[in-house]
Amino acid sequence: EVQLVESGGGMIRPGGSLRLSCAASGFTFDDYGMSWVRQAPGMGLEWVSGISWNGANTGYADSVKGRFSISRDNARNSLYLLMNSLRAEDTALYYCARENGHGFDVWGQGTMVSVSS
Amino acid sequence: QTVVTQEPSFSVSPGGTVTLTCGLRSGSVSTSNYPSWYQQTPGQAPRTLIYNANIRSSGVPDRFSGSILGNKAALTITGAQADDESDYYCVQYMGGGIWVFGGGTKLTVL
Repeated sequence: EVQLVESGGGMIRPGGSLRLSCAASGFTFDDYGMSWVRQAPGMGLEWVSGISWNGANTGYADSVKGRFSISRDNARNSLYLLMNSLRAEDTALYYCARENGHGFDVWGQGTMVSVSS
Repeated sequence: QTVVTQEPSFSVSPGGTVTLTCGLRSGSVSTSNYPSWYQQTPGQAPRTLIYNANIRSSGVPDRFSGSILGNKAALTITGAQADDESDYYCVQYMGGGIWVFGGGTKLTVL
């Protein structure tokens, strides 16, 4: 079964750092680009960051550029998101999603990040 | 900054047909934007419906179809059912590894 499982969320104070992980299974991980998508409470979906199959190319939304860093470990079938200088507006459910070259075709269930003092 | 536009809300009668659209604040949507569509019900992860403008994802009923209509991407639901009542999001590729979601459309079936 194709599956993505996120972890690493939690409560953190503004200015803090957190690393999210996404464990992939059921498919050949390094055949696919991957992305992080978030959803603030009661709000819509926001693409956060993406990475190519080999990690050579990355992209970031303007809202996180310079603060967040995406990476992957193909040997461990894992995707990561290092989030620094966290702000209250980063509070959201963070989804890991598989890119099929034309959109996102597999989604995890998400991990919640709450930034509050 | 590029903005992807969607109708905030729409309603359809059971059995009816509805077309939701996904545009760009400036410019026309093309296949190189790879527009795709997602359905989300409260408390659930998004479900992929359509990708690459008109390719139905595995397991999605054929009453969901995608297209480019004029200068926008479109999602058409034919024969709407009560459980189609959901939020629908589109996303478009902007180049340089950047994707942008629209604000979503809340569809009511009544």
